[in-house]
Amino acid sequence: GAVVSQHPSRVICKSGTSVKIECRSLDFQATTMFWYRQFPKKSLMLMATSNEGSKATYEQGVEKDKFLINHASLTLSTLTVTSAHPEDSSFYICSARLAWETQYFGPGTRLLVL
Amino acid sequence: DAKTTQPPSMDCAEGRAANLPCNHSTISGNEYVYWYRQIHSQGPQYIIHGLKNNETNEMASLIITEDRKSSTLILPHATLRDTAVYYCIVKEIQGAQKLVFGQGTRLTINP
Repeated sequence: GAVVSQHPSRVICKSGTSVKIECRSLDFQATTMFWYRQFPKKSLMLMATSNEGSKATYEQGVEKDKFLINHASLTLSTLTVTSAHPEDSSFYICSARLAWETQYFGPGTRLLVL
Repeated sequence: DAKTTQPPSMDCAEGRAANLPCNHSTISGNEYVYWYRQIHSQGPQYIIHGLKNNETNEMASLIITEDRKSSTLILPHATLRDTAVYYCIVKEIQGAQKLVFGQGTRLTINP
C-alpha cells in the first residue's frame, strides 16, 4: 500500500503555544488529505478535509481558527494547533488519497499539552 | 453516523481463521465495503474493499452476501500481530463521502 508519514510522532508543549504537524504522502500524489483526531479508547473523528490548493472543509464543531490546515502541495499537508490547551491533547492522524483511490493513513502524532 | 454494525469484541486462537462480521443493511448500490484495522497507538491500516464480489488479497478475504447487507472479513491464519481494532466502513468510491469510523471490533488473538 501507499505510504503516508507524519512528523513529529509525539510532541509535548506548554499551554498557549502553537504546534505544527506535518503529513506527507511519500510515494503518491495526494489530491485530498484528511485530518482526524482520536481520544483514548474512542474511535477516529474526522476534523477536516483538504484538497490541494484549496481551503480546507471543516466538520461541524471543529474550530477552523484553532486548527489551521494548509495543503500546499500534492505531497504535504500541515495541521497547526494554535494556542493549544490541555483539552487539545489527543492523537492526531492524517490520511491521504489520490483522486478516488483508496485512502491511506499516517502513523499518527500524539500531542500532550501541559 | 457510521452505517455499519459490528460486535464490540471477539477472540480467536492463534493459527485459526478469524471471521469478523459486519452488518450494513442500508448500503446503497454505489457504496463499497472497506475494512481497516488499527493496531494500538498506530494509524489505521487499509486491509481490503469490495462492491459485491468476494475479494482476496495477501492480508485477508472479504465475503459479501448476495443482498450486500452484510459482509465478513476473514483472516485465514491469525497471528498475535493481528490483534487490533477492525473497522468496517461503507463509502462511495467516488463523490464527497468520507470515511466515517464507527466503534469497530476489538479482535484479540490468543496464544
